[in-house]
Amino acid sequence: SQKIEQNSEALNIQEGKTATLTCNYTNYSPAYLQWYRQDPGRGPVFLLLIRENEKEKRKERLKVTFDTTLKQSLFHITASQPADSATYLCALPKPRVYNQGGKLIFGQGTELSVKP
Amino acid sequence: GAGVSQSPSNKVTEKGKDVELRCDPISGHTALYWYRQSLGQGLEFLIYFQGNSAPDKSGLPSDRFSAERTGGSVSTLTIQRTQQEDSAVYLCASSLAGTGKETQYFGPGTRLLVL
Repeated sequence: SQKIEQNSEALNIQEGKTATLTCNYTNYSPAYLQWYRQDPGRGPVFLLLIRENEKEKRKERLKVTFDTTLKQSLFHITASQPADSATYLCALPKPRVYNQGGKLIFGQGTELSVKP
Repeated sequence: GAGVSQSPSNKVTEKGKDVELRCDPISGHTALYWYRQSLGQGLEFLIYFQGNSAPDKSGLPSDRFSAERTGGSVSTLTIQRTQQEDSAVYLCASSLAGTGKETQYFGPGTRLLVL
């Protein structure tokens, strides 16, 4: 079955540094991958989507890479700020061969803490 | 515009009771999803509605769980004879359909505690 793994340990970094979060997946070739941010007590909020034919995508201080050979996505936050502290989730769509629509498989998330 | 709303925000119930959780998706979104998130865990897919198609119920953990979506809009997730292991945050999301419209918009969730 499809499996998604994210760094289970919390990531603690200093303000201004670049945070890098990893998402690895197995038994799967997704058409795209998404990253979401989740703050305590809130639902996830969409950040970025990268498709299988894209190597890299940027949005302001965020950058996502997608290596379909390694089956890995990296999520970078440059010039990190304390306000970036949250849990970051990667998500992949269920395989279309099963005709399962747009529902997502989520990783367990990585908690990021940016210290001033 | 209004986002996805869920009610109640918190629900405490006794083991064996039935509960109903409500989700109001974003107007015009044809797809609606229910997920469950246990403490410190990722999101677990429960059920998916898309337009008038039969719902995908493949994620429902037992026959105590059911969901309806009336009129293609509001959805209700019902848990019968609740158990303590049902305690979790239940999240609803909605989206448009089709390539380029895969973003899911989540509600704030309903925190369910079964005593």
